[in-house]
This record gives sequence, structure tokens and C-alpha cells, in this order.
Amino acid sequence: AQSVTQLGSHVSVSEGALVLLRCNYSSSVPPYLFWYVQYPNQGLQLLLKYTSAATLVKGINGFEAEFKKSETSFHLTKPSAHMSDAAEYFCAVSTAGDSSYKLIFGSGTRLLVRP
Amino acid sequence: GAGVSQSPSNKVTEKGKDVELRCDPISGHTALYWYRQSLGQGLEFLIYFQGNSAPDKSGLPSDRFSAERTGGSVSTLTIQRTQQEDSAVYLCASSLDAAAADTQYFGPGTRLTVL
Repeated sequence: AQSVTQLGSHVSVSEGALVLLRCNYSSSVPPYLFWYVQYPNQGLQLLLKYTSAATLVKGINGFEAEFKKSETSFHLTKPSAHMSDAAEYFCAVSTAGDSSYKLIFGSGTRLLVRP
Repeated sequence: GAGVSQSPSNKVTEKGKDVELRCDPISGHTALYWYRQSLGQGLEFLIYFQGNSAPDKSGLPSDRFSAERTGGSVSTLTIQRTQQEDSAVYLCASSLDAAAADTQYFGPGTRLTVL
């Protein structure tokens, strides 16, 4: 069975600092990995996804993530935080071995950006 | 184009009453998912539709929960005899096809409060 672990329920950075949100996955088959962002009282918006092409994936709003099979990780980074990045971020996994292709989510990381 | 829409946005009900939550997926999307987001349980998969059939209902928490989809489009999630533990945000998502790599597009959710 697949699972996702997000280390740190809250991460606080200063505006302009590096953002690093951690995600580790567990899967017995090649995974597809996703990062979603959720702003207050809104649904989830896709930031980026890994689908077995390039291991370094670039997404919207300057975010990127690198798939590292040896570390079973898919950490999300952004070189310079902006106040508008404050939100909750979810890492998720899906596999072709799952007949429903449902997303299994991590518990989320709330990003706080200090001025 | 129009995204996934859900109604109502908020629903307050009394314990023991039945509720219906509606999801309108993106036009042309064949796959539809329901998830539940609660403080204690995070984001959980409930049910998946491919067309009008539901090959995976494994996430429905009890037989008080049911869902249907008609015309390959609109879906309704029904909760009978609501309990306080049903209070959560119910999210609907749709994707073009049912595939692990497909992006799931989320609606804004319905916040259900059971008094």
C-alpha cells in the first residue's frame, strides 16, 4: 500500500528565504507524485506532478520538486518565498497498480511567511 | 473554462438528518472522486466514479454514506442519519481520464457541520 509522510506540520520562513517542504513516500510500484496547495477556504490547486519523465519537475509560482528514488523523497522547494505563498501544502501519491488511481495524501504542511 | 463546482458551499444540519452534497465536474471529465478533509483525519478518499459506475467505494466510512453519478456528469454524495463525526469539508475532484498520472482538479468543497 502507498503512503506519504510530510515532515513538519508547520514551516515558517522569512520573505525572500528558501522554502523547503519535505515529502517522503512509500510505494511497492513506481509512484506518481503530486504537490497541491490549498489557500484558506479554497479547494486544492495542483502545483506540480512527477509522472516518470524528468526527475526535476518545475511547477507554477516558481516551485519545483525533485524525485529521488534512492531516498523515496519528493521535496518541494522555492528559492525565494513571497508573502502570497502562505498556504497549506499537500504531497500525494498515486500508482498505476491502484484500480481507482485515487490520491493518497500526506498530512499537510502549513507554510508561514514572515515579513 | 469552468472548473469543478460544488453546492452548497456550507451546510449546517442537525444530528440524525440526511444531507445531499452535489458536485459538477469539468465538462468531458470521465473520472470523478470524492474526498473528505477533517482536522483529525486529514484528506481521505471516499469513492471513485468512472462514468456512472463506482469501481471503488472502499473509502466510504459506513453504510450511511452513498453516492451516485448520472449522465456521466453530476454526482451526489448522500449522508443519512448524520452524526457529529461527519462534520468535515467534502471535496470533489475530476480528471479527464482515469489514470494514475492524470491531474485531479478539485472543487472548493462543501463544509458540513453537524450540530
